[in-house]
Amino acid sequence: ETGVTQTPRHLVMGMTNKKSLKCEQHLGHNAMYWYKQSAKKPLELMFVYNFKEQTENNSVPSRFSPECPNSSHLFLHLHTLQPEDSALYLCASSQLPPGQGSGSYEQYFGPGTRLTVT
Amino acid sequence: AQKVTQAQTEISVVEKEDVTLDCVYETRDTTYYLFWYKQPPSGELVFLIRRNSFDEQNEISGRYSWNFQKSTSSFNFTITASQVVDSAVYFCALSETGANSKLTFGKGITLSVRP
Repeated sequence: ETGVTQTPRHLVMGMTNKKSLKCEQHLGHNAMYWYKQSAKKPLELMFVYNFKEQTENNSVPSRFSPECPNSSHLFLHLHTLQPEDSALYLCASSQLPPGQGSGSYEQYFGPGTRLTVT
Repeated sequence: AQKVTQAQTEISVVEKEDVTLDCVYETRDTTYYLFWYKQPPSGELVFLIRRNSFDEQNEISGRYSWNFQKSTSSFNFTITASQVVDSAVYFCALSETGANSKLTFGKGITLSVRP
């Protein structure tokens, strides 16, 4: 595998389900990100992990719960979602020197998980 | 606060035409980074270029070229002799520097290249 991979590619879930999105990067990067891409809206940064530590949470509702067990893997645990949470969820990674913010260097993205909440 | 405006929402051209995608940004910082990403129908954003605000040289990479104009706060992207494979959504993004920097994306421009 190369680059950034995400599974599943498509997910349909009811509002009472619990599911998880998985992201894996094979680039040796130390920072990973979750973005949400809704129709007609700019990409929204949700979470940033740097060296496995969460460094940013952009006011994301608690029904989204990230987990970063190591610098190569990132999960997004989903529970009790709403229909408006339907979107493309993109994972990205980058190399991030200490003390630098997440915007400083180019990020490499996975293909995304298309989530539909019914 | 930083902001990126991509005023064009959809552009349609015929193959082999040249096309320019506009990007205008706002920032209070004197040091910042500008990016372009391509999102083909497969979904993943593909990094195209990162430009430091101190480097105003235009850049050319094959059929792609970028025109950075600090005076007008613009970072436009031109595709020469467009091809069907160039059909995608193109995003411009801005990042200020420092420990709290993060990417701010524009809304994207959908480019359709017809054979």
